[in-house]
Amino acid sequence: DIQMTQSPSSLSASVGDRVTLTCRASQAISKYLAWFQQSPGKAPKLLVYAASRLETGVPSRFSGSGSGTDYTLTVSSLQPEDFVTYYCQQYYSIPWTFGQGTKVEIK
Amino acid sequence: DVRLVESGGALVQPGGSLRLSCAASGFTFNIYWLGWVRQAPGKGLEFVASIDKDGGEKYYVDSVKGRFTISRDDAKNSLFLQMNRLRVEDTAIYYCVRVVGTADRWGQGTLVTVSS
Repeated sequence: DIQMTQSPSSLSASVGDRVTLTCRASQAISKYLAWFQQSPGKAPKLLVYAASRLETGVPSRFSGSGSGTDYTLTVSSLQPEDFVTYYCQQYYSIPWTFGQGTKVEIK
Repeated sequence: DVRLVESGGALVQPGGSLRLSCAASGFTFNIYWLGWVRQAPGKGLEFVASIDKDGGEKYYVDSVKGRFTISRDDAKNSLFLQMNRLRVEDTAIYYCVRVVGTADRWGQGTLVTVSS
């Protein structure tokens, strides 16, 4: 199975900050990479697919990039509702595998 | 709007069985792959199973192979997960997902607790 490693596990930031979350795959996944956002007690929500394509309705402050084994999710200006947990996921092969998550906390 | 509503979660003893259901609406059910993803309390996300639009291809994570069975009923716009020989480590919220490459829509989840 492909292992997905996210860093950092958590970070503290302020409203308006620019933050970048990182995800590394144990092998090349050809941009079959998605990012999900999960608020407490809620189901995950798809933000980005194919490494850089924004899901319909997702604010443009979110952006994804990367290739090969290394991928990033950037939030250009954090809003109060963005202080939640983010997961990356590869869908290059089954079983899909997820990173362990990055929790974004208010400083 | 796309809607996925899971049901069937419960408290069950180790070794027991449970059948989860997912009622779908708001999209053409029979042209989509579907799947189940779970999340243990306070933990991350784990793929459980997926099924193709015809029901002929099914995939499972190794830890549930031989114990869980995914199926679908296109006439009822429903997805199912039959879970047998349940273990304590199967305790989780189980999410029904629609698959467009990845899981593009999620249900609200149903809680399965395996405990004596």
